[in-house]
Amino acid sequence: AQTVTQSQPEMSVQEAETVTLSCTYDTSENNYYLFWYKQPPSRQMILVIRQEAYKQQNATENRFSVNFQKAAKSFSLKISDSQLGDTAMYFCAFMIVQGGSEKLVFGKGTKLTVNP
Amino acid sequence: DADVTQTPRNRITKTGKRIMLECSQTKGHDRMYWYRQDPGLGLRLIYYSFDVKDINKGEISDGYSVSRQAQAKFSLSLESAIPNQTALYFCATSDLQGLPGETQYFGPGTRLLVL
Repeated sequence: AQTVTQSQPEMSVQEAETVTLSCTYDTSENNYYLFWYKQPPSRQMILVIRQEAYKQQNATENRFSVNFQKAAKSFSLKISDSQLGDTAMYFCAFMIVQGGSEKLVFGKGTKLTVNP
Repeated sequence: DADVTQTPRNRITKTGKRIMLECSQTKGHDRMYWYRQDPGLGLRLIYYSFDVKDINKGEISDGYSVSRQAQAKFSLSLESAIPNQTALYFCATSDLQGLPGETQYFGPGTRLLVL
C-alpha cells in the first residue's frame, strides 16, 4: 500500500521567515508524482506545487520550492518570505500512474500558522 | 465563476435520510473524483470516474453510491445517512487528455452533518 507521512501536525513561523514542511512516502513504484496542496480556512484545496519523480530538478513556484530526495522518499516543502496568507493546512499527496489509473493518496496534513 | 462547483455547501440531515451531493465542472475534464475529509485523516477517495460510462470504487466506498450524469456532472449519494458520515466532502477533476500525473482541481467542499 502507498502511504504518505507528514510528521509535523502543527508548525508556526514568523512573517518574512522561511519554513520547511516535511513529507515522506512509501512506494515500490518508480513512476509517480508528488503534490503539495494548501487548504486555507476557506477550506478550498489549492495546488501549491507538483513534482514528477523522473525529474531530478526540484520544482519551484515563486516563494514555494521542494526538496525532492527520491532515494530517501522525501518531499519537503520550503516556503520563503512567509506571508500571513500562507496560514493554512498543507497536505502532501502522492499519485501513481498505472494502466490509466491515477489516484491521489494524501498525508494527514500540517497546520501552518504565520505570525505577524 | 468557479471551475468546479459543489452543491450544497453545507447540509444537516438526520440518520437514515437519503442525501445527494452534486458536483459540476466547466473545465471540460473527463475525470472526476469524490473525496472525504475527516479531521486528522487527510482526504480519502470514495469513488472516481474516468468518463460517463466508467465508475470505480475508491478506498472507502461502502455506504456511498455515485452517478455520472454527464461529462460535467458527478453526484455522490448517501442512501441511508449515518452519523459517522459526518465529514467535509470534496469533488475534484483532472484532464484525461493531459500528461500522466495530471493535477486534480478541487471544488469548494460540502460540509455534511448527520444527526
